[in-house]
Amino acid sequence: AQSVSQHNHHVILSEAASLELGCNYSYGGTVNLFWYVQYPGQHLQLLLKYFSGDPLVKGIKGFEAEFIKSKFSFNLRKPSVQWSDTAEYFCAVNPQTGANNLFFGTGTRLTVIP
Amino acid sequence: GAGVSQTPSNKVTEKGKYVELRCDPISGHTALYWYRQSLGQGPEFLIYFQGTGAADDSGLPNDRFFAVRPEGSVSTLKIQRTERGDSAVYLCASSPTSNTGELFFGEGSRLTVL
Repeated sequence: AQSVSQHNHHVILSEAASLELGCNYSYGGTVNLFWYVQYPGQHLQLLLKYFSGDPLVKGIKGFEAEFIKSKFSFNLRKPSVQWSDTAEYFCAVNPQTGANNLFFGTGTRLTVIP
Repeated sequence: GAGVSQTPSNKVTEKGKYVELRCDPISGHTALYWYRQSLGQGPEFLIYFQGTGAADDSGLPNDRFFAVRPEGSVSTLKIQRTERGDSAVYLCASSPTSNTGELFFGEGSRLTVL
C-alpha cells in the first residue's frame, strides 16, 4: 500500500546535538515532498518543501532536508538543535496523481533538553 | 485574522448526535481540505474542495460524514449519528493553488464523542 513512514516516534536530544529524522515514502512517479512542524499548542506549519531541482533543500530555522530518489527518502536534518525546536514533525507527500492530496506520516515527537 | 479559522475549537457531544464543524479559509484560497488527526497519528485526508465542488472525497470514512462549500469560501464538515470513534482533531487547510500540496492549516476543532 502507498504510505509515508517515519520510523522515529520520539526523539530526545540535548541542546546543540545534531538531528536527523527519517522519512520514507512508497508512492511511485513524481512527488512533491514536505516537512511540517507543529509546536506545542500551535497549528501545523510548513518547515520546508521539495518540488524539483537541487535535492538538498533548506527551510526555516536552520532545517534542511535531502531528497534521495533511489531510496524514496526525504530525511530532515539540523546540525545543532535548540530547546525551541521541541515539537512534532510530520513528513508529507503529494503524489501529483491529479488529485491534490497530501499524505502524512505518523509524526516524530522531538524533545530537546536544555 | 489572516489565517485559517476553525470553529468551534472544542466540541463535546454525545454518541448519536449531529455535529457541524466550520472552516473559514484564507481569503482568495481556492483549494480547501479537511483532515482528521487521531492521537498519535498524522493527519488523515478526508476531502478536498476546488472552488465549490468536492474534487476528491475518497477519504470520508462512511456516509455519516459530509462536507459542503456552497460559495467557494467557508466550508462545513457535517457528521451524523456520531460515534466514539469519531473523536479526533479535525483540521482544515487551504491553499492558493491546487497542484503543489503546500497547505495552510487552521488550529483544528477537537471533537469528543462521549
